[in-house]
Amino acid sequence: DIQMTQSPSSLSASVGDTVTITCRASQSISSYVNWYQQKPGKAPKLLINVASNLQSGVPSRFSGSGFGTDFTLTISSLQPEDLATYYCQQGYYTPRTFGQGTKVEIK
Amino acid sequence: QVQLLESGPGLVKPSETLSLTCTVSGASLSSDYWSWIRQPPGKGLEWIGYIHYSGSTNYNPSLKSRVTISVDTSKNQFSLNLSSVTAADTAVYYCARDHRRGTTSYYYDMDIWGKGTTVTVSS
Repeated sequence: DIQMTQSPSSLSASVGDTVTITCRASQSISSYVNWYQQKPGKAPKLLINVASNLQSGVPSRFSGSGFGTDFTLTISSLQPEDLATYYCQQGYYTPRTFGQGTKVEIK
Repeated sequence: QVQLLESGPGLVKPSETLSLTCTVSGASLSSDYWSWIRQPPGKGLEWIGYIHYSGSTNYNPSLKSRVTISVDTSKNQFSLNLSSVTAADTAVYYCARDHRRGTTSYYYDMDIWGKGTTVTVSS
């Protein structure tokens, strides 16, 4: 199985800050990483696929990058509504695997 | 607009079989792959498995011996059976479209999710 390791597991930042979440795959997965946002009590929502492709309707303050084994989700100018847990997921191999999640809190 | 809705018992007794159904509206099951994912209380996401409309399946090895996913294209539904459940199977269960993309090299993302249904395993 491909292991997806996220860091940090949680962070606290102020409105307007830039936040960076990293995800490392246990082996190369090209650019086949997806990022999801899960707000409290809600289902996950696809934010970015293929490492950097922003989904329709997702604010442009979200961006993704990376290739191979190392990937990054960046939230520039953090907003109160970004309070959520973020998950990376590899979308190429089975079993599908997720990172353990990064909980983003607002100071 | 594609929507997925999970349904099934919210309480299952230990050693029994958990059975859930996902009803798809706004799209035909006769395309793409369709997954089940679960999330234990306070924990992360675990992929259970997927089914293709053709009936082909792929399961997480950690659950493979207990999982069956089936499809009913006439009802536009797919279902999850998880046998011999224990308290460790208590979770929110989601269904999602496992959307295949690409042309020469395929890759997948879960672009549409149901709202989830909570299943508690308890006597």
